Amino acid sequence: QVQLQESGPGLAKPSETLSLTCTVSIGSVSSGSYYWTWIRQPPGKGLEWIGYMFSSGTTSYNPSLKSRVTISVDTSRNQISLKLSSVTAADTAVYFCVRGAGGIFDYWGQGTLVTVSS
Amino acid sequence: EIVMTQSPATLSVSPGERATLSCRASQSVSSNLAWYQQKPGQAPRLLIYGASTRDTGIPARFSGSGSGTEFTLTISSLQSEDFAVYYCQQYNNWLLVTFGGGTKVEIK
Repeated sequence: QVQLQESGPGLAKPSETLSLTCTVSIGSVSSGSYYWTWIRQPPGKGLEWIGYMFSSGTTSYNPSLKSRVTISVDTSRNQISLKLSSVTAADTAVYFCVRGAGGIFDYWGQGTLVTVSS
Repeated sequence: EIVMTQSPATLSVSPGERATLSCRASQSVSSNLAWYQQKPGQAPRLLIYGASTRDTGIPARFSGSGSGTEFTLTISSLQSEDFAVYYCQQYNNWLLVTFGGGTKVEIK
């Protein structure tokens, strides 16, 4: 039973915008009990929090990525999206869509690998 | 930014033995500390939150302790399915959650 499913191109060109979508099937993205998060993991490395979106529409982003990141929600499709602009090879990673509650991350998507290469 | 430091980077343990993993925060995070397990090719799984509360379905052989800046994850008797990478994460600062670099628990 898939609960969080990421989708999007597996390849992005340098300087372009990476766009991913997460389809949620474990409740409504409008629920005030949870918030929706993107976390990434470069190959062979650790986890990096990208940002949150709360049901109110409030967002919070990692300062190191803030100038390039947009997280949004499509309530009609129960989806969350991530856009990361001006990508470089350093943005090559597995991107996870994650449900958050109280600061912890209890449900994770399987992740999708995005490679930045010309 | 609160920096989370995990040690050791790699821990070699025989099945049935105890494994003790450490996580240190650069400043106090109270008990706002979670542990995750990640197996190759899989997403992380929440094990422990609030420094010591096991998530639903997590076996009792996993236990967490600590507060402030020093935390420990103990696996009392390693099973074959426990060989994985473990990450700690602080959420005391909601606006910038941070993860440790991970500890890989491998078969000795």
